[in-house]
Amino acid sequence: KAGVTQTPRYLIKTRGQQVTLSCSPISGHRSVSWYQQTPGQGLQFLFEYFSETQRNKGNFPGRFSGRQFSNSRSEMNVSTLELGDSALYLCASAKGAEGYTFGSGTRLTVV
Amino acid sequence: EDQVTQSPEALRLQEGESSSLNCSYTVSGLRGLFWYRQDPGKGPEFLFTLYSAGEEKEKERLKATLTKKESFLHITAPKPEDSATYLCAPLTTDSWGKLQFGAGTMVVVTT
Repeated sequence: KAGVTQTPRYLIKTRGQQVTLSCSPISGHRSVSWYQQTPGQGLQFLFEYFSETQRNKGNFPGRFSGRQFSNSRSEMNVSTLELGDSALYLCASAKGAEGYTFGSGTRLTVV
Repeated sequence: EDQVTQSPEALRLQEGESSSLNCSYTVSGLRGLFWYRQDPGKGPEFLFTLYSAGEEKEKERLKATLTKKESFLHITAPKPEDSATYLCAPLTTDSWGKLQFGAGTMVVVTT
């Protein structure tokens, strides 16, 4: 069965630009979460969507936003990029209490 | 404030040398705990969910156990392919979808 698909895999952006990352969850999974992973801070929760509604939000500035579509696919957007936004962005999907399945991530580099 | 601590930070093992990783936590409303392994540049891979104190789960050379305050991941007779970073995340009554991960234990198994 297909896993969680994240696109693109790699991205290089310039400070001040904005970026949109995409996540296609496993078929039938309605919950999608986003995480940021950096060497210094580890895995940090960004937000979670369920049935197109944001259920939970982490402690990140308003420049980080997301949405979920009716087919459960999700996007996250980062506006006015800063150097510190360079990270591996991970998406995970779940169905019920079975545990989250992660995608391979999008490596974002801000220069 | 919830806290998740993993120890040791790093572990270097000879092939066949068994060891244990620790995940301790201070959280409210514990419902269970997830263990994941992560290879460099990839998303975390789900290993186990433990739901109650005293529960044990096994997968190949890995065995996870759970108490009220901590969990252990035992690696028995490890092989080089067990080299990875192992992450834990408690599941609480209000954390579904917004997991707080520990910093991880990086395991290197050498021949």
